[in-house]
Amino acid sequence: DTEVTQTPKHLVMGMTNKKSLKCEQHMGHRAMYWYKQKAKKPPELMFVYSYEKLSINESVPSRFSPECPNSSLLNLHLHALQPEDSALYLCACSQRAVGDTGELFFGEGSRLTVL
Amino acid sequence: AQKITQTQPGMFVQEKEAVTLDCTYDTSDPSYGLFWYKQPSSGEMIFLIYQGSYDQQNATEGRYSLNFQKARKSANLVISASQLGDSAMYFCAMREGQGGGNKLTFGTGTQLKVEL
Repeated sequence: DTEVTQTPKHLVMGMTNKKSLKCEQHMGHRAMYWYKQKAKKPPELMFVYSYEKLSINESVPSRFSPECPNSSLLNLHLHALQPEDSALYLCACSQRAVGDTGELFFGEGSRLTVL
Repeated sequence: AQKITQTQPGMFVQEKEAVTLDCTYDTSDPSYGLFWYKQPSSGEMIFLIYQGSYDQQNATEGRYSLNFQKARKSANLVISASQLGDSAMYFCAMREGQGGGNKLTFGTGTQLKVEL
């Protein structure tokens, strides 16, 4: 079983809706990530949180708003999305320790469809 | 320029045979890490194997081994004794700099199909 849990697994929303994707990890890791993955494409980094602070924002449109309430939780708030935002959204975490490889541990993803 | 290049969009292999998935990379950072992930149709990214830039020996994890040729900037994944469950998308990825909290950049992937 994965130690990174994402909810919901599937989400369908209209362009005027506001929804959130949630991610929880119980690995004690202090870096958390959001990736976006379109079909048959590699994951693309969106955001990185390190020690609950946003450390990387890959020029993501403001209709995506990340939040890291504590070291175990990562949210992605969605508002006024476009159909092209339909994708698999992957959450991941990694350690922040000396000598750490930087391996990412992924959740199973939230499959988003924007109508 | 592409930092990670996977030139094989699709590969076929017969069950019990070995298969090599190619990956080349480009970086000027002396400290980097290379990863291989497997993504079945369910969507989850599963870590397979890691090679650090300073590691002297090629990494191995069970049926997976990484053929690391630093001068050629290649990090090919070798899967021995292929199984039907190995059918999936395989991504090569690179971390530049030290440790976690850094960006992991993925290649375009190779779709592997294991046949009877």
